Amino acid sequence: DIQMTQSPSTLSASVGDRVTITCRASQTIYSWLAWYQQKVGKAPKLLIYKASNLENGVPSRFSGSGSGTEFTLTISSLQPDDFATYYCQGYKDYSSWTFGQGTKVEIK
Amino acid sequence: QEQLVESGGGVVQPGRSLRLSCAAFGFTLSKYAMHWVRQAPGKGLEWVAVMSYDETYKYYADSVRGRFTISGDKSKNSLFLEMNSLTPDDTAVYYCAREDTVPFWGRGTLVVVSS
Repeated sequence: DIQMTQSPSTLSASVGDRVTITCRASQTIYSWLAWYQQKVGKAPKLLIYKASNLENGVPSRFSGSGSGTEFTLTISSLQPDDFATYYCQGYKDYSSWTFGQGTKVEIK
Repeated sequence: QEQLVESGGGVVQPGRSLRLSCAAFGFTLSKYAMHWVRQAPGKGLEWVAVMSYDETYKYYADSVRGRFTISGDKSKNSLFLEMNSLTPDDTAVYYCAREDTVPFWGRGTLVVVSS
């Protein structure tokens, strides 16, 4: 089974900061990596699909990069609405959906 | 507009059963592999089960294998999750999701297993 390791688990940052979250897969998932934002009581919201593609309507301050086993989510200038928990998801094929442990972005 | 709408959640006693539904709107569900994913209170996302588009393949997480069954009904354009022998560890929000280059999720339904 493919395992996803996400880091850090918690991140304290200020409005305007550049923030980077990392996700590592235990084996190659090529570019089959998605990033989600989740706020308390809400369903996960898709931000990035296929590693670097911005979902419709998502602000351009969010970007994704990487391939193979190493991936990053970057928020170029953190905004008040961005304080939330972020998850990576590997989805190489339908038998291998797997999630990172999550990164909580907190106000510093 | 495409939508996935989960239903069937509620409070159930340990050892009992529950059947979740996921209705698809705006697209044909049977053209896609479909997943169930859950999230226990305060915890991360956990993949539960998947069914291939033609229902040929069904895979389950170790934590639910033998107790949960995923199925579909083309006439209702719906996906189901039959959950048996429920335990408090099954308490979670359950989401259905479409396998696609752009993953597509519903809003979830809450299952609480408690006496």
